[in-house]
Amino acid sequence: GENVEQHPSTLSVQEGDSAVIKCTYSDSASNYFPWYKQELGKRPQLIIDIRSNVGEKKDQRIAVTLNKTAKHFSLHITETQPEDSAVYFCAARSGNTPLVFGKGTRLSVIA
Amino acid sequence: KAGVTQTPRYLIKTRGQQVTLSCSPISGHRSVSWYQQTPGQGLQFLFEYFSETQRNKGNFPGRFSGRQFSNSRSEMNVSTLELGDSALYLCASSLRDPYYNEQFFGPGTRLTVL
Repeated sequence: GENVEQHPSTLSVQEGDSAVIKCTYSDSASNYFPWYKQELGKRPQLIIDIRSNVGEKKDQRIAVTLNKTAKHFSLHITETQPEDSAVYFCAARSGNTPLVFGKGTRLSVIA
Repeated sequence: KAGVTQTPRYLIKTRGQQVTLSCSPISGHRSVSWYQQTPGQGLQFLFEYFSETQRNKGNFPGRFSGRQFSNSRSEMNVSTLELGDSALYLCASSLRDPYYNEQFFGPGTRLTVL
């Protein structure tokens, strides 16, 4: 089955700097890759997703890139702000199989 | 539109007991998925239901079971609780197929097994 590895597990950046979180997946048939943000004590919320027919997707300060050949995808957050501090999860799925999540990255943005 | 709701929000049980958790999806959503979240392990998939049918099941022991009702509400049951079952249990609903539609998570039920 699918296996998703996420790195780093913790990340600290200065406010205004960029943050990059990387995930690799094992199932070459995976074709949907969402990213979730979970603030402390709150539910996970989808922040951006990408499908396998697209190499990059942007939404304001957030972007996701996908390299299907290498089987990895990354989340890029530019101009980080304190409210970006949270745990971020990547996930992957193939067709109607369940989402498989990475173990999460705890991002701390230092003001 | 009301979001996904889960009851109860907190539960404390002892080993050997059983527990039932409830999830009410967003109105009109027909797919419900359940996840177990533990520190360091992320979210692990338990089950996925669509129109009262279990479509997918994760790699959990048979003590974990679930069902979905005709109004799309879903319950999960854990029998013979073990200490390792302590976790945050999240459900997520989507309009139809989680592949094509965004999954919206509920606030979770935090289960503590003593």
